Amino acid sequence: EAQVTQNPRYLITVTGKKLTVTCSQNMNHEYMSWYRQDPGLGLRQIYYSMNVEVTDKGDVPEGYKVSRKEKRNFPLILESPSPNQTSLYFCASSLDRDTEAFFGQGTRLTVV
Amino acid sequence: GENVEQHPSTLSVQEGDSAVIKCTYSDSASNYFPWYKQELGKGPQLIIDIRSNVGEKKDQRIAVTLNKTAKHFSLHITETQPEDSAVYFCAAGTGGFKTIFGAGTRLFVKA
Repeated sequence: EAQVTQNPRYLITVTGKKLTVTCSQNMNHEYMSWYRQDPGLGLRQIYYSMNVEVTDKGDVPEGYKVSRKEKRNFPLILESPSPNQTSLYFCASSLDRDTEAFFGQGTRLTVV
Repeated sequence: GENVEQHPSTLSVQEGDSAVIKCTYSDSASNYFPWYKQELGKGPQLIIDIRSNVGEKKDQRIAVTLNKTAKHFSLHITETQPEDSAVYFCAAGTGGFKTIFGAGTRLFVKA
């Protein structure tokens, strides 16, 4: 089954404790993105990757890191999480930027 | 910077009526305009998309129109059903490689 898998689905952590949210897709897609979803703000792009080893900032990259060492994986790293990063996070993949994006189930992160 | 504005933020219609959601975008280089539906507890799913060389596209009860001159595109849902209740997002690919989403419209279809 074609899918985007994120883990974990739920995470509660403390300020400053490094964490990684994993994302994997099995569709051989080139383009992958991370978004955060906050009430009233919609989906805001954090980082995107055009293909392996090519990543770039979206609209809200501060406090986040990503890497794209393999085509299928695109982890999101929070080196020192803060409470303002409490949000619902989605990973998405698509053949290229201007084609249908397939979203993961989301990761609800709470930073206390 | 680039942005996409979406209206209304909330829309309530009676079952069987039509629903219209409107979006405007700022980047004149945008060429791809998808619409996503998000049900509770799930990730968004594409319902229809349109490219800049097309003015209108229809798929059963759903249609999208695009006016590139005005930088405006709209989603039209006819004969609404309770299962259409969800949050709808418009989006636009920018002239760079970003994708910008609207803030979303929560649609309620009353039976």
